[in-house]
Amino acid sequence: GAGVSQTPSNKVTEKGKYVELRCDPISGHTALYWYRQSLGQGPEFLIYFQGTGAADDSGLPNDRFFAVRPEGSVSTLKIQRTERGDSAVYLCASSTGLANTGELFFGEGSRLTVL
Amino acid sequence: TQLLEQSPQFLSIQEGENLTVYCNSSSVFSSLQWYRQEPGEGPVLLVTVVTGGEVKKLKRLTFQFGDARKDSSLHITAAQPGDTGLYLCAGARYGGATNKLIFGTGTLLAVQP
Repeated sequence: GAGVSQTPSNKVTEKGKYVELRCDPISGHTALYWYRQSLGQGPEFLIYFQGTGAADDSGLPNDRFFAVRPEGSVSTLKIQRTERGDSAVYLCASSTGLANTGELFFGEGSRLTVL
Repeated sequence: TQLLEQSPQFLSIQEGENLTVYCNSSSVFSSLQWYRQEPGEGPVLLVTVVTGGEVKKLKRLTFQFGDARKDSSLHITAAQPGDTGLYLCAGARYGGATNKLIFGTGTLLAVQP
């Protein structure tokens, strides 16, 4: 499809396990964002990529969270030693990165449940 | 820390009523966007406002950016059930290499037929 694709759509894991969430942005979009959202709340910023580099990772809550975008397209959010508090919907968005007022195009999110 | 506070947090109204959602901050933003999100989907952009005092209209929706670029409002006239959803304001603050968008706390709107 032409939109932002996120996989898996749902992930249930046990506390302490490792999880990877994948984001496939819109082709040609240089900027990629990861957000975390709890039910009924606004998305919480995690990290922003411009190309291959993380331009701003100030939202990552701790060193268990890490994200990569090695070829400037697909990105993977990695969570080590998952905790119950990590349960949320993880949203990925991309934009052209050409304008400061550019629109963010979101995927449908990956719902993570840590038991 | 959520820099953008939205009010009300939740609003349930009857079809045909008017409503206003507020988005407030102590910080100045270079631009502000409003998004609408439906269950199981990502937020979708409604409008971007850039200039202090700017007013934009999108059919029955009117958006205003405060003069000091610290706050914004969304007014819906004659609400319809299709307006139901989570409304999010999002501010952009530019500096250096960062171009991140900070979202507000959200307003959940339910329009009853």
